[in-house]
Amino acid sequence: DAGVIQSPRHEVTEMGQEVTLRCKPISGHNSLFWYRQTMMRGLELLIYFNNNVPIDDSGMPEDRFSAKMPNASFSTLKIQPSEPRDSAVYFCASSSSGVGTDTQYFGPGTRLTVL
Amino acid sequence: AQSVTQLGSHVSVSEGALVLLRCNYSSSVPPYLFWYVQYPNQGLQLLLKYTSAATLVKGINGFEAEFKKSETSFHLTKPSAHMSDAAEYFCAVRGNQFYFGTGTSLTVIP
Repeated sequence: DAGVIQSPRHEVTEMGQEVTLRCKPISGHNSLFWYRQTMMRGLELLIYFNNNVPIDDSGMPEDRFSAKMPNASFSTLKIQPSEPRDSAVYFCASSSSGVGTDTQYFGPGTRLTVL
Repeated sequence: AQSVTQLGSHVSVSEGALVLLRCNYSSSVPPYLFWYVQYPNQGLQLLLKYTSAATLVKGINGFEAEFKKSETSFHLTKPSAHMSDAAEYFCAVRGNQFYFGTGTSLTVIP
């Protein structure tokens, strides 16, 4: 299995630009999670989907952030407009169940720098 | 509500020495607990998980953790540290979502 795939691995953009991060979960997994990691705040859950439906988006910092999962094999996290404080590593993870004991498998992350 | 607290943001041990990384949890229901490791510039990788079976859980790379309900703890240990163990370690508890600790950075001194 290829594991969770994220693209791009690195993104450098200027303040005010739109940024789109992409994630392909492990085939057969029906839960997908977006996390943000910074030195100051550690690892934060932004949103998670179960069967392509957003279940909890309480971690999304503000309206500039949006996430979609149009099908079981693809999700996007969009920031519009981006700000320097959005600079972080964004991880996508998937699991085979939204509840229970199933393990989350993480992608390699996208390192976002907003200038 | 669930949460985890990792005591010590930085831990240093000598190569060959015991590794002990501390994690205490708070949960109103029987918890499912996890330890993840993150190597530089990589995503998180599962080390081990507790799912209410045996209280002593063995994971990869020689790590293990013991669930102690009376102490609400799930500390991670390894008898003998190796240079390759240098990484960031995260404890997590699963409720209706995952809650991660703030992480402990492990340094192994040669």
